[in-house]
Amino acid sequence: AQSVTQLGSHVSVSEGALVLLRCNYSSSVPPYLFWYVQYPNQGLQLLLKYTTGATLVKGINGFEAEFKKSETSFHLTKPSAHMSDAAEYFCAVSDGGGFKTIFGAGTRLFVKA
Amino acid sequence: DTEVTQTPKHLVMGMTNKKSLKCEQHMGHRAMYWYKQKAKKPPELMFVYSYEKLSINESVPSRFSPECPNSSLLNLHLHALQPEDSALYLCASSQVDRNIQYFGAGTRLSVL
Repeated sequence: AQSVTQLGSHVSVSEGALVLLRCNYSSSVPPYLFWYVQYPNQGLQLLLKYTTGATLVKGINGFEAEFKKSETSFHLTKPSAHMSDAAEYFCAVSDGGGFKTIFGAGTRLFVKA
Repeated sequence: DTEVTQTPKHLVMGMTNKKSLKCEQHMGHRAMYWYKQKAKKPPELMFVYSYEKLSINESVPSRFSPECPNSSLLNLHLHALQPEDSALYLCASSQVDRNIQYFGAGTRLSVL
């Protein structure tokens, strides 16, 4: 079975500050890991993904995440927050070959001017 | 191109109405999904089609009826819905053997 835990339902940062959204996963098979972003009244946009290979993955809008197997983590970071980053962020895991994707509860990111 | 197109963007319907949601993708994906998302919650899987055949039905009430007429198109037929069915309905697609899902913008459904 797979599961995802996002630490913190709300995160608030100042514009220009580091963004760190935490995600821990559980999986009995090598996981595929994802971060999705959802802006108000919109669908989910794939921000970045880890499948195999390089453990540091870069995504759109300056975001990146590092797969740490020993810590079962896949935290999302961005060096400098922008007002436009304010949104809901979902971490997700799948087993790669099936159809089920398990989503975390989501983290709402607030960016203060 | 990673676009999944959903229509309509918004839908208001009465409990006796029949309506349909449409989803289209041209990425060559042979797996397509319907999700339901309530406010401040993650998406919940409803149905999965693989090679145009229903693979997963997550015990969804029969008032929701999915259809996959071809490899690019996915419909969700709605009939006799309840107010609690009001939600954002999301469509997604992926390759069958590589579960990386791409989502549409969703249809915001309100049932009166």
